[in-house]
Amino acid sequence: QVLLVQSGAEVKKPGASVKVSCKASGYTFNGYFMHWVRQAPGQGLEWMGWINPNSGGTDYSQKFQGRVTITRDTSISTVYMELSRLRSDDTAVYYCARDIYGGVGDLWGQGTLVTVSS
Amino acid sequence: EIVLTQSPGTLSLSPGERATLSCRASQSITSSYLAWYQQRSGQAPRLLIYGASSRATGIPDRFSGSGSGTDFTLTISRLEAEDFAVYYCQQYHRAPKFTFGQGTKLEIK
Repeated sequence: QVLLVQSGAEVKKPGASVKVSCKASGYTFNGYFMHWVRQAPGQGLEWMGWINPNSGGTDYSQKFQGRVTITRDTSISTVYMELSRLRSDDTAVYYCARDIYGGVGDLWGQGTLVTVSS
Repeated sequence: EIVLTQSPGTLSLSPGERATLSCRASQSITSSYLAWYQQRSGQAPRLLIYGASSRATGIPDRFSGSGSGTDFTLTISRLEAEDFAVYYCQQYHRAPKFTFGQGTKLEIK
């Protein structure tokens, strides 16, 4: 079964970092880029960045440059998104999404709620 | 950055009716690098349309996409109860600077 399974909900304090994982199964992990997209409560979708699991190469939205790091562990078919210097407005559901056609997410994880609160 | 503006913000229709959702880009999207997603309450987005008009795997043929340049449309020919959700357009013309529209909420009248 083709699936992306993300790690569980997190509660963090302002200034801390969070690392969310996304484990792929049922397809060739190295064959597809992986996006990270977030959605603040009641808001729309916001693209954060992506990774080429084959090379480890990444590209990030300018908005998150310097705060976000996307990595992968090919041995366990898992991609990670780490966001640092968290603020209250980083409270959101974070999704990973498998890329097809150079920008389209055809398979999405279930989402991980990250709450930033003092 | 390409800005996508969706209209209307909310669309109220009844099951069986036809829905027409619009997505306008701030600059031309060549090669029709535009996708549409459906997001039901509490769920992850689901890909409906890519390349402006190609249906994703498993998507019913009542969903269709059209348009080019700066104006794109998602049409749902006969609404079913499961279609009431939020719909987003997304451009992937300017990789890797992908952007989404703000969404159209399709609600039951």
